[in-house]
Amino acid sequence: SQQGEEDPQALSIQEGENATMNCSYKTSINNLQWYRQNSGRGLVHLILIRSNEREKHSGRLRVTLDTSKKSSSLLITASRAADTASYFCATMDSNYQLIWGAGTKLIIKP
Amino acid sequence: GAGVSQTPSNKVTEKGKYVELRCDPISGHTALYWYRQSLGQGPEFLIYFQGTGAADDSGLPNDRFFAVRPEGSVSTLKIQRTERGDSAVYLCASSVSGFGLDTQYFGPGTRLTVL
Repeated sequence: SQQGEEDPQALSIQEGENATMNCSYKTSINNLQWYRQNSGRGLVHLILIRSNEREKHSGRLRVTLDTSKKSSSLLITASRAADTASYFCATMDSNYQLIWGAGTKLIIKP
Repeated sequence: GAGVSQTPSNKVTEKGKYVELRCDPISGHTALYWYRQSLGQGPEFLIYFQGTGAADDSGLPNDRFFAVRPEGSVSTLKIQRTERGDSAVYLCASSVSGFGLDTQYFGPGTRLTVL
């Protein structure tokens, strides 16, 4: 079963614009992780945010977590063509199991 | 260094046949995971190994699926009497310890097609 739901399912923006993707989940979590998947490099870990953190940055990535609303967002600033990929959120539960959403397909138009 | 590798990259088989999918984790990683991903979906957890033992096999869909990791390194996912619904990309990942803040590193996957 899948816990997370990403929103939107698909997003198409111009290169240079910012992209925001959201994730909602159902049960309590240990941490929440974002991954990127494209045909060239497979699934790659982007960033992890712990349940007691509210915001985290890594390069052009900014992740927020609101445990009261059971939601997270991933912001990619100054998007590039190479950011075209599917983005997944995955929550880690108390059993250290990662449960995944269905992903957001991001297309960056040159 | 070398990442997680999976063989074969593609496997086509007929309904009812037996298949084995192999995963070579990153050297020294204690934890190993198998996932299944269908088109347009996120990965679905199948089984998780800590060393040689299956710490959590709650994601295996039925008793046709079995996985081993006899020496705590390479793992093999075995599917008996394959069905068309087993068609998917099977992903393997490994991590240092398997607990808490570990990052999972994924292999390229094996695309299984059951005709």
